[in-house]
Formats: sequence, structure tokens, C-alpha cells
Amino acid sequence: DTAVSQTPKYLVTQMGNDKSIKCEQNLGHDTMYWYKQDSKKFLKIMFSYNNKELIINETVPNRFSPKSPDKAHLNLHINSLELGDSAVYFCASSQNMGYNEKLFFGSGTQLSVL
Amino acid sequence: TQLLEQSPQFLSIQEGENLTVYCNSSSVFSSLQWYRQEPGEGPVLLVTVVTGGEVKKLKRLTFQFGDARKDSSLHITAAQPGDTGLYLCAGARNEKLTFGTGTRLTIIP
Repeated sequence: DTAVSQTPKYLVTQMGNDKSIKCEQNLGHDTMYWYKQDSKKFLKIMFSYNNKELIINETVPNRFSPKSPDKAHLNLHINSLELGDSAVYFCASSQNMGYNEKLFFGSGTQLSVL
Repeated sequence: TQLLEQSPQFLSIQEGENLTVYCNSSSVFSSLQWYRQEPGEGPVLLVTVVTGGEVKKLKRLTFQFGDARKDSSLHITAAQPGDTGLYLCAGARNEKLTFGTGTRLTIIP
């Protein structure tokens, strides 16, 4: 069983479209995250949720809207996609929010905006 | 702003050699983690160091947290092809994890 699973694995779309990425964790964790990894492999946090509540929103454009229907799911919807949105998006989870919590990552969604 | 600089950015060495990867910052962190990421996969946690000066060993990998909790190093002894991957340090401050710039390691058989 995959601990953190995200779909789709690959997403190719035209500029201006709206798309969603789904994430589910079966670890019973309270905290979930979205990270963006750029072409230089730099990994940057976008959002974190704790028990369905938004905790961190790292100056991400309003076109990105996370939604957590329950604490096992954190989806990411992106409106009006731009070329600069092309990247690999990783979902992650941790037991709690804390400075030494272990993050479990999904295998990523490679988004290509044409 | 890049808070955590890793060096080298790329490293390619022969199997059996030793190597050290550095993670440096001007900020103090509550703890520091090291992850390894393989192509097409997410990062996987290797270790967490919490105390300044702490040293942790994981088989052939030795991790050290700087005394001032601003830097860390990862030393690999007798590198093997299976060590190939992207190594990321990540520092925790204010309940937020900031990742380093990454070191792409290639071990040549």
C-alpha cells in the first residue's frame, strides 16, 4: 500500500486551462503539505494543512487553491495555468506539525504547461 | 532567498571513494533533516539531527549538525552505486521546513 499517493503522475496541458492534482495519505497523519520542485530541483513549500485547517500559505498566487475535505486528503486546484507553473508538485504528510517531524512524500506530479 | 546552500551542487566519484556534502546557512535551525531523492520519486528521510554538535551514523553515512545549529554535513564512506541520488538538507524553523539547494551525487561503478 502506498503511504502517500498523488494523481496524476504526469499532467500536460495548455496555458490558461484549469487543472487539479489529488493527494491521499493512509498513514493517519494530521498534517499534509504541497511542495513545488522547480527545474533546478529546489523544493519549496506552498501550503500546509493541519486537521483540515490551512496553516501555511507561502505567498502562492491566488490561482492555486488547496482543498482538504478530510485530514487524509489534500487536493490542489490550479486556475488559469501559466508557463511558469511547469514543475513537479509533491504532496507530503507528517504525524503532526513540529520542528522534527518526519515528512512522507508522494512520488510527485510532473506538470507541463505548453 | 535561499536560506540553505548545499555544496557541491554536483558530485561524481568512483565506487569505493569517500565524500562529504555540506549544508550551510546564516540562520539557526531547531533541527536539520537529510533526505535522498531518486528520479521520479519523492524525497525519503534519512536522518534528523536536533542537538548542536550531534553526530548520527546510518551504516556508511555519517551526519553532523554544527555546534551553532547553522550547518550540517553528510559524509559517505566507500560510496556505492546505490548511493546515487539527489541529497537534500532541510532546516526547521518556526514549524516550517526549508529545503537546501540540493547535491546531485553520482557513483560510478
